[in-house]
Parts: sequence; structure tokens; C-alpha cells
Amino acid sequence: KQEVTQIPAALSVPEGENLVLNCSFTDSAIYNLQWFRQDPGKGLTSLLLIQSSQREQTSGRLNASLDKSSGRSTLYIAASQPGDSATYLCAVFGNEKLTFGTGTRLTIIP
Amino acid sequence: GAVVSQHPSWVICKSGTSVKIECRSLDFQATTMFWYRQFPKQSLMLMATSNEGSKATYEQGVEKDKFLINHASLTLSTLTVTSAHPEDSSFYICSASGAGVVGYTFGSGTRLTVV
Repeated sequence: KQEVTQIPAALSVPEGENLVLNCSFTDSAIYNLQWFRQDPGKGLTSLLLIQSSQREQTSGRLNASLDKSSGRSTLYIAASQPGDSATYLCAVFGNEKLTFGTGTRLTIIP
Repeated sequence: GAVVSQHPSWVICKSGTSVKIECRSLDFQATTMFWYRQFPKQSLMLMATSNEGSKATYEQGVEKDKFLINHASLTLSTLTVTSAHPEDSSFYICSASGAGVVGYTFGSGTRLTVV
């Protein structure tokens, strides 16, 4: 059974800092990995998707990396802004299932 | 981009009644739809997977007679919570995948409160 863990569970950083969110998964037989953002009481917004054959994806200030063999992914956020405050979830797709991580609640302090 | 519309965004119902939640793919054909449940400050837990025209596949521990899922067309899936109880109060989110769509697209979620 796939298990996905995100560390830290919560993170507060001053505005302007760069930061890294971590995601680890137990079964490396994945098809892809996706990072999402969830605002309180809202649905999910897809940020980046990395196919199993890829090592990283970039979109604006966001960069996600994938090391399938070690079961790890990181989401790098550059020059953080208060609007980045949200819960960030990673999810891996494998065995026809999308399994979500536990989430990291990010607070950017103005 | 791919858009999934979920309605209602919130609903309050009396204990013992049934509630239907709709999930529509607006600009693509959703061959597979997923229903998730999320408790406060917890991650999403998959409830069931539905393929158009087929019976839904439920995850272990999810009562299929209580959470009725219908995926009758390529653009619409519904989740009906039957005989709702206060413990069914939660945030329900659908997602969809289909040909030509990369990854998974999520609805905006439905906050269900059973009183």
C-alpha cells in the first residue's frame, strides 16, 4: 500500500524567503506525481505535474523535483509572497490510484 | 484548461435525509471520476472511483449503500449521501481524468453539514 508523507506539517517563513517542501512515498512504482495547493475551505489547484520519466518541472517561482528511486519529491518556492500561504499537497499516481500526502500548511509572514 | 464544476459548494441538511452532489467536466470527457472526503486538517481520502457506464469501485471501509455514485455520462458524476448523519459532515471533493487531460482536475468541493 502506497503511503505518502509530507514534512514539515506546518511552516512559517518571512516574506521574500525561498523555501522547500518535502514529499516522500513508499512505493516507487509510480506513473506521475502532482503538487497541489489548497486554500482553506476550497478545492485543489494543480501546481505542477511530473511524469515518472522526468526529474523536474518549473512554473514561475515554483520548481518541483522527483527522485523516483529514493521515493522523494521537493517543491521549491522562490521569493515567497503572502499569497503563497495555503496548504500544499503532493499526490502520487500508481496502481490506478491517486494517493495524497498529509499536506504542509504554509504561512508567509508579511 | 480542463475545468471541473462541483455543486453545491455547501449544503446543510437534516439527519436522515439524502443529499446529492454533482460533479461536471465542462470542457473534456471524464472517463474516470474520483470522489474524496476530507476531514478538518487532514488530507484527502479516496472514497470511490467511477468509470463512465460502470459501477463504482469503493475503497475499503466506504459503505456503497450509503454513498451512491452514478457516472451515467462522460461529463457528469453524482454522489448521493443517503440517510445522512452528523458524522457524515465533511468536505467532499471530486476529481476527473480523461483523454487529452494531463493529471487530475479537481472540483471546488462541497461542505456538507448534517444537523
